[in-house]
Amino acid sequence: GAVVSQHPSRVICKSGTSVKIECRSLDFQATTMFWYRQFPKQSLMLMATSNEGSKATYEQGVEKDKFLINHASLTLSTLTVTSAHPEDSSFYICSAGRYHSSYNEQFFGPGTRLTVL
Amino acid sequence: AQTVTQSQPEMSVQEAETVTLSCTYDTSESDYYLFWYKQPPSRQMILVIRQEAYKQQNATENRFSVNFQKAAKSFSLKISDSQLGDAAMYFCAFLPGGGSQGNLIFGKGTKLSVKP
Repeated sequence: GAVVSQHPSRVICKSGTSVKIECRSLDFQATTMFWYRQFPKQSLMLMATSNEGSKATYEQGVEKDKFLINHASLTLSTLTVTSAHPEDSSFYICSAGRYHSSYNEQFFGPGTRLTVL
Repeated sequence: AQTVTQSQPEMSVQEAETVTLSCTYDTSESDYYLFWYKQPPSRQMILVIRQEAYKQQNATENRFSVNFQKAAKSFSLKISDSQLGDAAMYFCAFLPGGGSQGNLIFGKGTKLSVKP
């Protein structure tokens, strides 16, 4: 159990367009979902945390108007990169939280590689 | 603020040998969780092992074990009988106490190569 999917796995778009990435918890309900960004050969950088039915909490330096997060249900969160530019090209990873014992255990999706031309 | 430091950007081990990856962290909290994650070339993050700070016993998962030194704020990962499939990036991560409200804090990672 505890499988998280992401769609699409790869996307190439033109500069100025918007791209939506979906993150789904397939076999459990996730009260919290997390969005990370990972540059080549670097660690994961938390972008935002979202709870079902409420506004996402963005980390310092992350533009909330550029990276729109919607957590409409306990199994689905979406990240929309608006007016994408080449510098937004990166690997985006989501994770879904499931309460385990006394902490919120995160299960990671396989990631989405975004290339903006 | 909590920080996680992995001082070894790259490590190499011979197949079937043992390797230890280092991790230190800084926190003023007494209640927290520590994790090692593996990220193979597919880039799927895989949980290798977890340690609760309140437990004195070191966690073990098959060939993977940790050396948790709470006073020294050290959390190293030992991989025994290394296999080719162990080649990956390894990230040490810290989850602040009261776990349900905290976010994972990752180290910069160690790239492990396994030589046949």
